[in-house]
Amino acid sequence: DGGITQSPKYLFRKEGQNVTLSCEQNLNHDAMYWYRQDPGQGLRLIYYSQIVNDFQKGDIAEGYSVSREKKESFPLTVTSAQKNPTAFYLCASSMTGADTQYFGPGTRLTVL
Amino acid sequence: DAKTTQPNSMESNEEEPVHLPCNHSTISGTDYIHWYRQLPSQGPEYVIHGLTSNVNNRMASLAIAEDRKSSTLILHRATLRDAAVYYCILRDVNAGGTSYGKLTFGQGTILTVHP
Repeated sequence: DGGITQSPKYLFRKEGQNVTLSCEQNLNHDAMYWYRQDPGQGLRLIYYSQIVNDFQKGDIAEGYSVSREKKESFPLTVTSAQKNPTAFYLCASSMTGADTQYFGPGTRLTVL
Repeated sequence: DAKTTQPNSMESNEEEPVHLPCNHSTISGTDYIHWYRQLPSQGPEYVIHGLTSNVNNRMASLAIAEDRKSSTLILHRATLRDAAVYYCILRDVNAGGTSYGKLTFGQGTILTVHP
């Protein structure tokens, strides 16, 4: 089945630790995105990538980093510089930046 | 980005039609109207989109006002599985730079469906 997978579903980390969230897609999409969602709020764009080896900052990139070495993978690292990392993180992909975005199931990160 | 306004919440009974409104008075000529929904603890799911004409698909219908300043998502027969947050989003596919491909989510409308 084609789709987007995110792992793990739940993640716990101690304050001050970096953590990397996985996002994989087998839809052959060029564009991929990372969003953050806080309770009762809409999604906010962290980073996006329109093509392999290229990515751009979104609205709230501070304290996050990404890489796009392969078309199907777009991992997100939440660094210790992110002041409020506890949130629901969602990855999405689309054929191009202009097309419908398909979302993964999300990773809920809790920093203790 | 042009903004949308939606009611915070709506309720419906199962098997009845649901009309979810969205106001977008500052919409531009190149803005498409997109609807996504998010079930509890899941990622958003694409529902439908349109530019000027009404649109139908297997999930819903989208009715767009003639002046495009408002639109309505129509679920023809609500089921319990339709209980979700529904987001109305304007998307300018001609925008470049950091706006390219971006979806700007507001707080959406929480739809409750009663059995």
